[in-house]
Amino acid sequence: AQSVTQPDIHITVSEGASLELRCNYSYGATPYLFWYVQSPGQGLQLLLKYFSGDTLVQGIKGFEAEFKRSQSSFNLRKPSVHWSDAAEYFCAVGSSYGNKLVFGAGTILRVKS
Amino acid sequence: DTAVSQTPKYLVTQMGNDKSIKCEQNLGHDTMYWYKQDSKKFLKIMFSYNNKELIINETVPNRFSPKSPDKAHLNLHINSLELGDSAVYFCASSQGRGGNSPLHFGNGTRLTVT
Repeated sequence: AQSVTQPDIHITVSEGASLELRCNYSYGATPYLFWYVQSPGQGLQLLLKYFSGDTLVQGIKGFEAEFKRSQSSFNLRKPSVHWSDAAEYFCAVGSSYGNKLVFGAGTILRVKS
Repeated sequence: DTAVSQTPKYLVTQMGNDKSIKCEQNLGHDTMYWYKQDSKKFLKIMFSYNNKELIINETVPNRFSPKSPDKAHLNLHINSLELGDSAVYFCASSQGRGGNSPLHFGNGTRLTVT
């Protein structure tokens, strides 16, 4: 069965600083990987996804993520954080034949000015 | 022009009552889901329907009963509500069967049982 670990519950960065949110997954075959963002009182919005091909994927709002099979990781990055990026971020794993996505516990991002 | 809409947004009720949450998607997707997000923000799938057929039924009390009258609608009925049912319930949809397709989420229904 798939599982996802997001080791950091909270992260605080200064506005304009770079950001990296960690995600590790457990899955025996090639995973389908996703990052979602949830603003307070809102549903989850897809930032980016990885299915195959180039291991560096670009998403919306200036985010990118890199799939590293050897480390079972799919970390999310942004070179310069804006105050509006403060939200909760969820990593999720699926598969080519599975019926569901499994989500990590989320990382809360705080941005200080 | 909301893609996945669920109603109501807030639901406050007493223990023992029965309540329903409705969800509709206008994306033309084949699969719809109910997820529960607890107080620690952990998201757990409850049910999934593909073209009105139930394909995922996780370990959920049978007080929870989903119904999909057509592939654009998925409702959730909860009988005999308990304090532990308090959570945010998210409806979602996807084009594929879920493991290989991005989910599109509604804005959630915050259920508070007193």
